[in-house]
Amino acid sequence: QQQVKQSPQSLIVQKGGISIINCAYENTAFDYFPWYQQFPGKGPALLIAIRPDVSEKKEGRFTISFNKSAKQFSLHIMDSQPGDSATYFCAASRGSASKIIFGSGTRLSIRP
Amino acid sequence: DTEVTQTPKHLVMGMTNKKSLKCEQHMGHRAMYWYKQKAKKPPELMFVYSYEKLSINESVPSRFSPECPNSSLLNLHLHALQPEDSALYLCASSHLGRVGHETQYFGPGTRLLVL
Repeated sequence: QQQVKQSPQSLIVQKGGISIINCAYENTAFDYFPWYQQFPGKGPALLIAIRPDVSEKKEGRFTISFNKSAKQFSLHIMDSQPGDSATYFCAASRGSASKIIFGSGTRLSIRP
Repeated sequence: DTEVTQTPKHLVMGMTNKKSLKCEQHMGHRAMYWYKQKAKKPPELMFVYSYEKLSINESVPSRFSPECPNSSLLNLHLHALQPEDSALYLCASSHLGRVGHETQYFGPGTRLLVL
């Protein structure tokens, strides 16, 4: 019940295309859903985050779609660029100073 | 400023050595975290400090010993590690008890190799 399932494991998208990563959770007590971007040899960096009372959040080329009834959320990267090539982790948590439950990660590669 | 700094960047140690990892933040965060990340895996929580007190220990072996000397600093003392402890060790920090400010900010990590 504590798991966050993420797919796909890896994704190749042409430059300018849309990258879509999906996640699903079981624990309805989660109240915060961040996405982290990680480049090789670096720490994860917050990309965008959403709360379950919002169905969509957009920041620049990045959009989170959230379906509370289905317990699913997804990251859309519009106009994907080679610089977006990284590993993306969806995550979920409840409250502050708590354990973040990470998805397994998606290795995104944007082809020029 | 959302920067968490970690030193050293890289560390190689033998199984009998004692070493320490250091983490620092000046964002006024009162929660600090240690994570361990193996290659191609998500970060795994090790410890959480809230108001400089240990609040979560994810059943981490005693060869890892955390310390929070003040609200800006977090240390991880290492002793008698095993080769399987080789990993990227990440520090993170966040606000505490402020709804809408739960984001954990990660440092760049220390790449540890145990020989």
